Amino acid sequence: DIQMTQSPSSLSASVGDRVTITCRASQSISNSLNWYQRKPGKAPNLLIYAASSLQSGVPSRFTGSGSGTDFTLTISSLQPEDFATYYCQQSYSTPLSFGVGTKVEI
Amino acid sequence: QVHLVESGGGVVQPGRSLRLSCAASGFTFNAYGMHWVRQAPGKGLEWVAVISNDGSNKYYTDSVKGRFTISRDNSKNTLFLQMNSLRAEDMAVYFCAKDNKGASWNFDYWGQGTLVTVSS
Repeated sequence: DIQMTQSPSSLSASVGDRVTITCRASQSISNSLNWYQRKPGKAPNLLIYAASSLQSGVPSRFTGSGSGTDFTLTISSLQPEDFATYYCQQSYSTPLSFGVGTKVEI
Repeated sequence: QVHLVESGGGVVQPGRSLRLSCAASGFTFNAYGMHWVRQAPGKGLEWVAVISNDGSNKYYTDSVKGRFTISRDNSKNTLFLQMNSLRAEDMAVYFCAKDNKGASWNFDYWGQGTLVTVSS
């Protein structure tokens, strides 16, 4: 099974900051990496799929990069609505797996 | 507009069974794989199972193999999860989720979830 290691587990940031979250897979997953945003009481929202493709409707301040085992989600200029928990997820092979999440706080 | 509405959650004793349903609308249901994902209290997201668009292929996470069965009724646009021999560690909010590109194994729409509580 593929393990996803996400870091940091939490971070404090301010509006306007550039934020970077990393995700490492326990084996190569090509570009089969996806990023989700989760707000309390809401269903997760797909931000990035296939490592770097922006999901329709998602602001362009969200970018994804990486391939193989190391991946990054970057928020170029943090907005108030971006305070949430972010999860990576590998879609390379079953069982599909998520990272533990990164909580972005003020 | 895509809508996914789960139902069937509740309180159940260990060892008993429960069947979850997910009613889908707003898209061509029989063209997309569908997933169940869960989140236990205070924990992260855990993928549970996937079923292909025509129901011919199913995959499960190891901890539910042999106990849970995913199925679908394309004539009724409904996804199911039959959960048998429930354990305390199965207690979670269960989400159904639509596959993004048919069979890409990422999830572009999610329901709001249904809570399964396993307790004696």
